[in-house]
Amino acid sequence: KAGVTQTPRYLIKTRGQQVTLSCSPISGHRSVSWYQQTPGQGLQFLFEYFSETQRNKGNFPGRFSGRQFSNSRSEMNVSTLELGDSALYLCASSLGQQGIGAFFGQGTRLTVV
Amino acid sequence: AQSVTQLGSHVSVSEGALVLLRCNYSSSVPPYLFWYVQYPNQGLQLLLKYTSAATLVKGINGFEAEFKKSETSFHLTKPSAHMSDAAEYFCAVSDRDNDMRFGAGTRLTVKP
Repeated sequence: KAGVTQTPRYLIKTRGQQVTLSCSPISGHRSVSWYQQTPGQGLQFLFEYFSETQRNKGNFPGRFSGRQFSNSRSEMNVSTLELGDSALYLCASSLGQQGIGAFFGQGTRLTVV
Repeated sequence: AQSVTQLGSHVSVSEGALVLLRCNYSSSVPPYLFWYVQYPNQGLQLLLKYTSAATLVKGINGFEAEFKKSETSFHLTKPSAHMSDAAEYFCAVSDRDNDMRFGAGTRLTVKP
């Protein structure tokens, strides 16, 4: 069974631009969550989608948004990029039930210059 | 909101020595608890999870963790460290498995 696939692996953008990151979950998993990882703030929860609906949201500004498609693939969008958005963005795939645990992709390394 | 605290941002042990990474949670009810490991430039890999079935949880790579409600702790241990265990370890708490709150992480160094 294929793991969680995130594309692209690396990305360089300029301040003010927008970016879209993609995540393909494990087959059969209906829940996709996104996390931001930075040296200063650590791992922070962005949002979770389950069956195309946002089920939970972390404490991030509205510039961060996401969506999930009917095949469970998810995209995350960041508009008006700031230098502080430079981070490793991780996607986690799960069945969406309690206590099972989530499986992470390798992440997308975003650098904003 | 639930949270976890990892004591010690860096832990260094000699190869063959006991590994002990500390995690305390804040929750009024027993939560779902997890330990993940992250190798450089990689995502997170699930080591083990506590879901109230048993207080002593065994995971992959010889790691285990014990849930202690009286101490609100979920420390990760391994009897004998191996060089390949060098990585960053994260404790996480969740009330749904895909909405996790992570600790700050503990970087484990293993000396030859």
